[in-house]
Parts: sequence; C-alpha cells; structure tokens
Amino acid sequence: EPEVTQTPSHQVTQMGQEVILRCVPISNHLYFYWYRQILGQKVEFLVSFYNNEISEKSEIFDDQFSVERPDGSNFTLKIRSTKLEDSAMYFCASTLRSSGNTIYFGEGSWLTVV
Amino acid sequence: TQLLEQSPQFLSIQEGENLTVYCNSSSVFSSLQWYRQEPGEGPVLLVTVVTGGEVKKLKRLTFQFGDARKDSSLHITAAQPGDTGLYLCALRPGGSYIPTFGRGTSLIVHP
Repeated sequence: EPEVTQTPSHQVTQMGQEVILRCVPISNHLYFYWYRQILGQKVEFLVSFYNNEISEKSEIFDDQFSVERPDGSNFTLKIRSTKLEDSAMYFCASTLRSSGNTIYFGEGSWLTVV
Repeated sequence: TQLLEQSPQFLSIQEGENLTVYCNSSSVFSSLQWYRQEPGEGPVLLVTVVTGGEVKKLKRLTFQFGDARKDSSLHITAAQPGDTGLYLCALRPGGSYIPTFGRGTSLIVHP
C-alpha cells in the first residue's frame, strides 16, 4: 500500500538552529499537510499546501516556519530558528482531493530542541 | 471556534471487556472522523460519519453519530491488546476540509 514517508525519524538540534523536515507524499496526491503533536498534547494543524502554494495555515505557523515543494516528490517543512517549544512530533500528510478523501499520515519526525 | 471534547482521557481495561469512548462538540458539524494512533506513528483513519444517527461498524468497532450531529461514540466489543492506542476524533470546521483533532482517548488493553 502506498505510504507517506518522512525523514529524519528523529532529530536533535540546538536552540536557534535551522531544521528541515522532509516528506515524500503519496505519488498521485495533490494536497499536502503538516501537523505537529507536542508530547502528551493533541495533534495540531500547521499548514496545507496545494498547487505549489499555501492554502491554509494555523496561528502556530508563523514566520519561523516555511514549506516548500522543491521538486516533484519532496515536501519540506523548515523551521528557521528553533525554540525549545518547537520540540514535538511533526507529521506530514497527503490526500488526493481536499474533500471526501482519506488523509494519509506519515510516521512522523520527532524533533527535540535542546 | 468549535471545541471537541473526548472522554475519557485514559482507559485501562482487561482483554475481553467492552468499552465506549465519546466525542462531543460545542456546535453542529457536518462530518466527523475517527482515527487511531499507535505510539510513534501517525493517525490512521478508521471511519467518517456524515448523517445524523448514522451507525457504522468496522469488525468489533461500532461508530455512532448523534442525531443532532454534535456528538459521536465509538464502542469496542471484546477488546484485544491490539486495540491499544490513542483514539482521536476529528471534525472539519465550516469552510475547511482540514481535520481538527480532539485530544484523544488513550486506551490500554491488558492481556
């Protein structure tokens, strides 16, 4: 079964450093998402991406965050200057269409900021 | 802002027991989804319910959507250790197709 893959599975970074999390969505999907889950808290929406631009974003997704689809397969989340509170599991997800379709989540990238 | 409340927050039961977990919203929603998340993995969609009063079954799991479309329940019959996980409900706020998740019910089924 096709799946969303994410790398790295775990990254430890110093506060203030830039981090790039990578995702390969399912190949024929058109809509891409990033969510995060701080330990013990709920899964929170960050941003959605369609047709090479952001379609929706949450209040969490401030100027420190950016997303990009540099080629036909990868979808990246960049955090410019990490803070301690950015420590979380970051999930990438994709779906074929925006409505009525299953959203498939990757296994997540666990980011620890020290 | 629609608020999703899930209860109970934690549930620890023995294999073979039945259980029900609940998802309630402060307002009417058009559809609701249930996901299961295992430790270290992303959420996996179990079901989408759309019609008020709708009941869907997935093997030993029964999902019900309240008549007023403000609440939903998930009932598991004869729970097994493989049912252990975080059960999340999610709705799509008006005008958006993006799921917004509740905090989840963490279920542990002991052998």
